[in-house]
Amino acid sequence: KQEVTQIPAALSVPEGENLVLNCSFTDSAIYNLQWFRQDPGKGLTSLLLIQSSQREQTSGRLNASLDKSSGRSTLYIAASQPGDSATYLCAVSGSARQLTFGSGTQLTVLP
Amino acid sequence: GAGVSQTPSNKVTEKGKYVELRCDPISGHTALYWYRQSLGQGPEFLIYFQGTGAADDSGLPNDRFFAVRPEGSVSTLKIQRTERGDSAVYLCASSLIPTRLSSYNEQFFGPGTRLTVL
Repeated sequence: KQEVTQIPAALSVPEGENLVLNCSFTDSAIYNLQWFRQDPGKGLTSLLLIQSSQREQTSGRLNASLDKSSGRSTLYIAASQPGDSATYLCAVSGSARQLTFGSGTQLTVLP
Repeated sequence: GAGVSQTPSNKVTEKGKYVELRCDPISGHTALYWYRQSLGQGPEFLIYFQGTGAADDSGLPNDRFFAVRPEGSVSTLKIQRTERGDSAVYLCASSLIPTRLSSYNEQFFGPGTRLTVL
């Protein structure tokens, strides 16, 4: 059974810092990996999707990498802003199609 | 519509009652998923529809939970004899045809329905 772990569970940084969020998964037979953002009381916003054949994806200040063989992904956020404060969720999909999620990293960017 | 919509946004019910939660996916998305999210946790899979049929219902916790998608678009999640442990946020997502070598399986989520069972 696929298990997804996110470290750290919470992170607080001053505005302007570059930061890395970590995600690991136990079964490397994935189709893709998605990073989501969730604001309090809201649904999930898809940030980046990395297909199993890809190594990384970039969108603006966000860069996500994937190392399937080691079961790891990282989300890099450059020049963090207070508006980046949210919970970031990592999820993987396999042959069963549904997403398996980690518990998330709660990010606070202090002005 | 522009995105996935879910109604109601909040539902408060009493233990033992029946509830229905509705999901309206992105137009043209053939795949639809239901997830449940408890406080401080990531969403957990409940059921996946491909068109009108439930392709995978392995995440439904017991037979009190049932979902339908009769015309391959809107879906309804039905919970009978609700229990306090059913309290959670129920999320719906949709995607294009999920395939192995395609970004079509990128899932887009609705805002969720917060269910509270008193």
